Amino acid sequence: GQQVMQIPQYQHVQEGEDFTTYCNSSTTLSNIQWYKQRPGGHPVFLIQLVKSGEVKKQKRLTFQFGEAKKNSSLHITATQTTDVGTYFCAGGTSYGKLTFGQGTILTVHP
Amino acid sequence: DAGVIQSPRHEVTEMGQEVTLRCKPISGHNSLFWYRQTMMRGLELLIYFNNNVPIDDSGMPEDRFSAKMPNASFSTLKIQPSEPRDSAVYFCASTPPPGGSDNEQFFGPGTRLTVL
Repeated sequence: GQQVMQIPQYQHVQEGEDFTTYCNSSTTLSNIQWYKQRPGGHPVFLIQLVKSGEVKKQKRLTFQFGEAKKNSSLHITATQTTDVGTYFCAGGTSYGKLTFGQGTILTVHP
Repeated sequence: DAGVIQSPRHEVTEMGQEVTLRCKPISGHNSLFWYRQTMMRGLELLIYFNNNVPIDDSGMPEDRFSAKMPNASFSTLKIQPSEPRDSAVYFCASTPPPGGSDNEQFFGPGTRLTVL
């Protein structure tokens, strides 16, 4: 079955440093979604990428979808303490099912 | 909108007991997903329904787990009998019919299950 691998598992940064998490799928994806889960909370949707090579930005967050639609990345510029949480990528199929990566736990030290 | 509602929020039970988790999806959403989250295994899809019909239950761990969706506004996940290894946070999520800009999943707050 489809597998989605995400690295790194953990990332500790100082406030103001950049952060990147990477996602790789064993199969070509219909789309990829990114979610953020705050400690003790539930996953919250951030964005969806559909097109090959697509790049989307949300303020300090930049999301990329690879040309082959098998990999993706999330980059945060100048992290803030409010960025703390676990970031998940999720590979999507055309009928709505998502396969989540293991997530990257981001810790930001003030 | 109240969002996805799950109950109970916390459940502590003893091994061998039956556990029933409940979910009310967002009104108008026609797909519903049950996930289990643990530190070791991450976020796993257990089963999902489309228009109240189970579409894929390949993630259900074993026969002790069962899920139903009797109508568009209610779903249950039952574990019988429960075991300590079932301890996890169980999330329910729903999505609207396709056609919108994104088919994001809206997650409920989760049920934290502890089996002693």
